[in-house]
Amino acid sequence: TQLLEQSPQFLSIQEGENLTVYCNSSSVFSSLQWYRQEPGEGPVLLVTVVTGGEVKKLKRLTFQFGDARKDSSLHITAAQPGDTGLYLCAGDYNFNKFYFGSGTKLNVKP
Amino acid sequence: KAGVTQTPRYLIKTRGQQVTLSCSPISGHRSVSWYQQTPGQGLQFLFEYFSETQRNKGNFPGRFSGRQFSNSRSEMNVSTLELGDSALYLCASSSWTSGRTDTQYFGPGTRLTVL
Repeated sequence: TQLLEQSPQFLSIQEGENLTVYCNSSSVFSSLQWYRQEPGEGPVLLVTVVTGGEVKKLKRLTFQFGDARKDSSLHITAAQPGDTGLYLCAGDYNFNKFYFGSGTKLNVKP
Repeated sequence: KAGVTQTPRYLIKTRGQQVTLSCSPISGHRSVSWYQQTPGQGLQFLFEYFSETQRNKGNFPGRFSGRQFSNSRSEMNVSTLELGDSALYLCASSSWTSGRTDTQYFGPGTRLTVL
């Protein structure tokens, strides 16, 4: 059983479209992180959200932490082929003990 | 700064054997965490070491063990390998500051195949 559920599992869209990926849990986390992983590489941190209701923007990516600190979303505007990869959310359960979601595999077609 | 390095990158073993994986963290980082990544279970936390002590542990059997040396380098050992241990093993290091989450930097992983 995954502590963090991500949806959708797979997403294939055309360049220029918008998309939202969700990360949900029944547990409260002290912080939540989003990563992107490309084939043959380890995950790379995109953002850390700490405060309930927090919204962070990273160029075309917008991250939101739920008010109750149990869920988060990642919204990508005008997706580009370079956004292709596996997007993972990770909740910090006990300061440096992280639980990862199952991931969303995104494919952006040119 | 050099990134997190893991050796070897690829490994093939047979059932019943044991294996040792190595991780060199970013210079100055004292926390090293290990994860197992499989298509079915995703990324799962194995354990975390800080200053040579295991500080956090995931839900894996005792066949999985690790240690950290005084220079912060870490090794992970899996004994009596099973087919289900085939996975990408990732190591992550962080500087860790008390009371807050620090950025984890992941290595490229070791791809272990058990035949």
